[in-house]
Amino acid sequence: GAVVSQHPSWVICKSGTSVKIECRSLDFQATTMFWYRQFPKQSLMLMATSNEGSKATYEQGVEKDKFLINHASLTLSTLTVTSAHPEDSSFYICSHGGISYNEQFFGPGTRLTVL
Amino acid sequence: AQKITQTQPGMFVQEKEAVTLDCTYDTSDPSYGLFWYKQPSSGEMIFLIYQGSYDQQNATEGRYSLNFQKARKSANLVISASQLGDSAMYFCAMREGPPAAGNKLTFGGGTRVLVKP
Repeated sequence: GAVVSQHPSWVICKSGTSVKIECRSLDFQATTMFWYRQFPKQSLMLMATSNEGSKATYEQGVEKDKFLINHASLTLSTLTVTSAHPEDSSFYICSHGGISYNEQFFGPGTRLTVL
Repeated sequence: AQKITQTQPGMFVQEKEAVTLDCTYDTSDPSYGLFWYKQPSSGEMIFLIYQGSYDQQNATEGRYSLNFQKARKSANLVISASQLGDSAMYFCAMREGPPAAGNKLTFGGGTRVLVKP
């Protein structure tokens, strides 16, 4: 199956700074990628759908100006958490579908801690 | 209303025994897919099994089987012969609509399984 990488795997930053998280599809050209957020002991919640070459689609309640998504190529989507605050501390996971109907490939996740 | 409901927040199971994890779903779309994922403490999402809404037979993958009851809108995961390495969080997820790369998944709240030796 496809391999998805995320960078960094973990990051600690100060409140008010911006953090960029990269999601790369290493062997599949993904026109659509998904960004999820998972708070401790909770489930994955979809934040936004990243579309190559066009604007991302955000889920209700997710601030598009705070969570900037760029999908400039078929293999790279980035999520930038702007002016991060402690409540943004979470596990961020990206994914994309595959050729087959039952395929959904997830990245290993990025753990963000905002001090 | 919750689209995916997992009513068991946590379960203990004895090693080598079978365990059933419950999942009910809600959708009006006739075409959908149901997934089960395992998430160990490392955080990676490991795909276990898939059931399509039009599949006539229950899906099986090694020690994993899916008890699909379409009329009841349930898709319970059965893990047979539990192993210590099965201890993890388990998520049920649903894709609404026909399979396509742009279809997102909605996840249930998860069930934490702890296998006792």
